[in-house]
Amino acid sequence: ETGVTQTPRHLVMGMTNKKSLKCEQHLGHNAMYWYKQSAKKPLELMFVYSLEERVENNSVPSRFSPECPNSSHLFLHLHTLQPEDSALYLCASSQMGNSPLHFGNGTRLTVT
Amino acid sequence: KQEVTQIPAALSVPEGENLVLNCSFTDSAIYNLQWFRQDPGKGLTSLLLIQSSQREQTSGRLNASLDKSSGRSTLYIAASQPGDSATYLCAVNSGGYQKVTFGIGTKLQVIP
Repeated sequence: ETGVTQTPRHLVMGMTNKKSLKCEQHLGHNAMYWYKQSAKKPLELMFVYSLEERVENNSVPSRFSPECPNSSHLFLHLHTLQPEDSALYLCASSQMGNSPLHFGNGTRLTVT
Repeated sequence: KQEVTQIPAALSVPEGENLVLNCSFTDSAIYNLQWFRQDPGKGLTSLLLIQSSQREQTSGRLNASLDKSSGRSTLYIAASQPGDSATYLCAVNSGGYQKVTFGIGTKLQVIP
């Protein structure tokens, strides 16, 4: 496999559920990102990991918890979400510096 | 705070037409600017990245230009095809660790 792979592609969860989103990159990059894309809004940066250390956390509610066990894998753990958290969650990777971002196909999350 | 605007929000053109998509940004102190394409329900595909020291980049039928002083970038698509139908997003990198600000995008429809 090449590129950035996200699973699952679709997820429906209740407000009391706990679930996790997974991202894997096969590009040898050293930085990984979580973005949220809601309808008619620009992409919002949630978290950045560089060399497996979290270097950015854009005031994201604690019901979203990221984990980066190694440079190829990134998780987003979800707990007691709200309906307004329904969105497309995109993972991206890059080399640190001014290199291009490479995105996965995203997880479409619906919170009921 | 960097703000990115894309005009028009939507565009419909007949096949074969040349077209220009616009992106403007408020802070000219940027590292690079990246154009993406997004198909419905999918992730973002990188089209072109222009470093702050460059004026333009070309890839096939696509040409992107950058004018930092005026805070503008354009994406030129030559001889448009129905397969070009997608949403095109502009993203401006204003700092390290990929502090990237996205526009909302221009939704392009190319009619056969």
